[in-house]
Amino acid sequence: GAVVSQHPSRVICKSGTSVKIECRSLDFQATTMFWYRQFPKKSLMLMATSNEGSKATYEQGVEKDKFLINHASLTLSTLTVTSAHPEDSSFYICSASTGGRYGYTFGSGTRLTVV
Amino acid sequence: SQQGEEDPQALSIQEGENATMNCSYKTSINNLQWYRQNSGRGLVHLILIRSNEREKHSGRLRVTLDTSKKSSSLLITASRAADTASYFCAIINQAGTALIFGKGTTLSVSS
Repeated sequence: GAVVSQHPSRVICKSGTSVKIECRSLDFQATTMFWYRQFPKKSLMLMATSNEGSKATYEQGVEKDKFLINHASLTLSTLTVTSAHPEDSSFYICSASTGGRYGYTFGSGTRLTVV
Repeated sequence: SQQGEEDPQALSIQEGENATMNCSYKTSINNLQWYRQNSGRGLVHLILIRSNEREKHSGRLRVTLDTSKKSSSLLITASRAADTASYFCAIINQAGTALIFGKGTTLSVSS
């Protein structure tokens, strides 16, 4: 089945630094990927839709300069949290559109802690 | 927001009991999906029910859909400790591209 690999699973960084999270489709090509953010004990909030070869579409209220998304190939999308602050600490999950029976498959998430 | 509330927000039961979670939404849909999330992990697809279906079964899972009330329910029968997780319903956003999730129900099954 369709597998999405997300890396790293956990990252701790200092305030002011940038962190890159990778989302790879392992056995299929994903022209569209999605990035979600999840606060503790809360639901997933869609941040942006990442399209291969074009600019990402950000949801209202999400700072595009803060959360840089690059989808340079059909198997890789990256989310870079720039100039991270403690309030950016969260669980970030990527998803890819598979076009298959259920349509979507999810990465295992990245726990970002900014200290 | 396209998505409404899920209830209950938290549910604690004993092994062997049934667990029912409800989900409401606000827009028209082609289908509704249910996902499971173990603590600190990604999401696992459980079941999809189409708008022209009223009920669907998969193992110990039973999903119902009432499009007139814009609501769905997920029933887990004969629950096990391993069913402890958060459960989310999801629908496609208005752009027709991404999944939008409900607030979820945290299920705790004690042995």
